[in-house]
Amino acid sequence: ELKVEQNPLFLSMQEGKNYTIYCNYSTTSDRLYWYRQDPGKSLESLFVLLSNGAVKQEGRLMASLDTKARLSTLHITAAVHDLSATYFCAVDIEGTYKYIFGTGTRLKVLA
Amino acid sequence: DTGVSQDPRHKITKRGQNVTFRCDPISEHNRLYWYRQTLGQGPEFLTYFQNEAQLEKSRLLSDRFSAERPKGSFSTLEIQRTEQGDSAMYLCASSQIMQGPNVEQFFGPGTRLTVL
Repeated sequence: ELKVEQNPLFLSMQEGKNYTIYCNYSTTSDRLYWYRQDPGKSLESLFVLLSNGAVKQEGRLMASLDTKARLSTLHITAAVHDLSATYFCAVDIEGTYKYIFGTGTRLKVLA
Repeated sequence: DTGVSQDPRHKITKRGQNVTFRCDPISEHNRLYWYRQTLGQGPEFLTYFQNEAQLEKSRLLSDRFSAERPKGSFSTLEIQRTEQGDSAMYLCASSQIMQGPNVEQFFGPGTRLTVL
């Protein structure tokens, strides 16, 4: 069964701290996507990682992709309250047009 | 605003009724996706259109569900004989075909369906 698993599912952290969210997937894919979702809202694209070793950074967030390990990380540096949201990773399945989303990581940054 | 739009934003219906949702993708986007998201879960892929052709359907899409994209522009998702288990957020996303790998999808605000 094709799976995309995120760890942790819930994360409560203090402002100013660093943390990493992990995304493991079981299908062969060279492309991985990170999205943010605020409560009651739709999904906002954060990063598109298109090859092994890809690293992208935007503000306090940095995403990386290791296709051999089938692992992506989303690193948060010096967290601020505005980063509180649910973060999803997603992969597309080679040879199809399907995307599989992870379980999501609900992040809460405490002031 | 030239983003993805969906209508209605909320729909409450009684079990057994039919409902139809509409999605207007970003202009010039050839690809259109429908997803279903239940509380606390990630979006689940339902179906994919490339222009007007429906090229992929999930097994989640039972025979009560049908989607169309006439003329390759807006799309509709119809659910017949709704069941309480259909209650969810239905999300539409679009993207543009480009040479090379897939690119990011842009999501609409969603239609929240409640089946009583």
